[in-house]
Amino acid sequence: DIQMTQSPASLSASLGETVAIECLPSEDIYNNLAWYQQKPGKSPQLLIYYASSLQDGVPSRFSGSGSGTQYSLNINSLESEDAATYFCLQDSEYPWTFGGGTKLELK
Amino acid sequence: EVQLQQSGAELVKPGASVKLSCKTSGYTFNNYYMSWLRQMPGQNIEWIGNIYGGNGGTGYNQKFKGKATLTVDKSSSTAYMDLSSLTSEDSAVYFCARTHYNSFIYVMDAWGQGTSVTVSS
Repeated sequence: DIQMTQSPASLSASLGETVAIECLPSEDIYNNLAWYQQKPGKSPQLLIYYASSLQDGVPSRFSGSGSGTQYSLNINSLESEDAATYFCLQDSEYPWTFGGGTKLELK
Repeated sequence: EVQLQQSGAELVKPGASVKLSCKTSGYTFNNYYMSWLRQMPGQNIEWIGNIYGGNGGTGYNQKFKGKATLTVDKSSSTAYMDLSSLTSEDSAVYFCARTHYNSFIYVMDAWGQGTSVTVSS
């Protein structure tokens, strides 16, 4: 199975700041990577798919980049509603696997 | 509007089975896969498998083979997941997620609200 190493596990940032979350697959996943946001008690919401494609309706302050075995999610100009846990997912090869999550707290 | 409505919370005894449902609306069921996922309390999300609405073709995470069985009812645009021989390790929230496939790219773009399964005597 492809292992997804996500960092950091937690993050504290201020409103208006920019943050980055990284995901390192154990092998090349050819950009087949998605990012999700999950708030407590809710289901995950798709932010980015195919490494850098923004899902319809997602604010443009979210962006994804990377290739091969290194990917990142950037969130610009943090807003209070961005407090959540973020997961990466590889859907390049069965079984699809998730990163361990990054809990983003707003100061 | 795309909607995935999952069945309600379940409390089941060890050794029993349970069938979860995911009723869809707002899109053409036959043209999409449905993925099923598990999230144990405070833990990572695991992908269980997926099923194609058009022909019922399935793909499973080997970890869940023998534990989970995925089916669809096209007439009611509903996906189902049977979980068998339940133990306390199966206590979790289970999600269904609409999965689009195009040009070799999969996208899980809409999720149900989740079904909590508690296995306890």
